[in-house]
Amino acid sequence: EAQVTQNPRYLITVTGKKLTVTCSQNMNHEYMSWYRQDPGLGLRQIYYSMNVEVTDKGDVPEGYKVSRKEKRNFPLILESPSPNQTSLYFCASSRQGPAYEQYFGPGTRLTVT
Amino acid sequence: RKEVEQDPGPFNVPEGATVAFNCTYSNSASQSFFWYRQDCRKEPKLLMSVYSSGNEDGRFTAQLNRASQYISLLIRDSKLSDSATYLCVVNRGSSNTGKLIFGQGTTLQVKP
Repeated sequence: EAQVTQNPRYLITVTGKKLTVTCSQNMNHEYMSWYRQDPGLGLRQIYYSMNVEVTDKGDVPEGYKVSRKEKRNFPLILESPSPNQTSLYFCASSRQGPAYEQYFGPGTRLTVT
Repeated sequence: RKEVEQDPGPFNVPEGATVAFNCTYSNSASQSFFWYRQDCRKEPKLLMSVYSSGNEDGRFTAQLNRASQYISLLIRDSKLSDSATYLCVVNRGSSNTGKLIFGQGTTLQVKP
């Protein structure tokens, strides 16, 4: 089944404790991206990757890191999480870029206390 | 001013009604436009792409007005299952740039 998977789905952590949210797609998509969704603000793009080893900042990259060492994986790293990073996070992929249909993962609900 | 703006609603309509949503965007260089549907904080899913000539898919019609920089979504004969949040999405700049901008969404509630 073609899909985007994210892990974990739910995470409660404390300020400053490094964490990684994994994202994997099995559709051989070139483009992958991360979003956060907050009430009243909608989805905001954190980082995106047009292909392996190519990543770029979205609109809200501060406090996040990503890497794209393999085509299928695009982990999101929070080196020192803070409470303002409490949010619902979505990973997405598409065949070649933003002009194509985006396939979203199920979301990761992160709470930083 | 937000780069992509939508009326958050909620729009409360009876079954069978026709409802229309508009979305405005500020970057005149934007090339790609979409409507996504999101159910109750689940992942968004593509409803339809929006082309310059407009497009229709069953009860749904999407249109693009480049001169006024807005896109619209029309839903005819609303069903209870249409209740969701509808997200307007715009590709900032040319189709080769990687950034997608989402509106905050318009919530539709279809009542029996």
